[in-house]
Amino acid sequence: GAGVSQSPSNKVTEKGKDVELRCDPISGHTALYWYRQSLGQGLEFLIYFQGNSAPDKSGLPSDRFSAERTGGSVSTLTIQRTQQEDSAVYLCASSLGAGIPNTEAFFGQGTRLTVV
Amino acid sequence: GQNIDQPTEMTATEGAIVQINCTYQTSGFNGLFWYQQHAGEAPTFLSYNVLDGLEEKGRFSSFLSRSKGYSYLLLKELQMKDSASYLCAPWNSGNTPLVFGKGTRLSVIA
Repeated sequence: GAGVSQSPSNKVTEKGKDVELRCDPISGHTALYWYRQSLGQGLEFLIYFQGNSAPDKSGLPSDRFSAERTGGSVSTLTIQRTQQEDSAVYLCASSLGAGIPNTEAFFGQGTRLTVV
Repeated sequence: GQNIDQPTEMTATEGAIVQINCTYQTSGFNGLFWYQQHAGEAPTFLSYNVLDGLEEKGRFSSFLSRSKGYSYLLLKELQMKDSASYLCAPWNSGNTPLVFGKGTRLSVIA
């Protein structure tokens, strides 16, 4: 596709359930980023991938959060045993490469997660 | 790690000029991005500064001082549609992620 695609766009889940969020980056982009944004707040960095490896997982809030990327393309962010404080918009972005200067990151429209 | 500081909120009048500041502390600095985010939408790219000085792009300009760890975004001839959050993100060389400041929420009033 022409842009970064995220699915689902909206997800309502019950507390304690697991959820999977999907990100399909722009073709050829090797760097992929996950962020979380609570209502009215800034972008909270979660994790990023360079190819299939994740050099920096420091932003993951707890061990309930995990992410993987296969084939250097699609990435999934998994949240286990969801809690109400996990409710937020989860944004994915991709760029040509984390080490390449002046390469902007393009964002998807996000997944709005609501834990009830 | 990185420290990025921006004012939380600003208000300006339609037609006026506003300057949004960003200070940062980071190692291996290479350049700085500015993004715009309208409420309920994804962030979109505005500018990227590598060299010291002012870069102009239409009504928007961005300034960088590498030695002072300081950047600003200058918006001229403000329009109501400029009401949005403005995010700065210093970029480091090497294999590091793009981390954003908390953003400045700009409200343009009539």
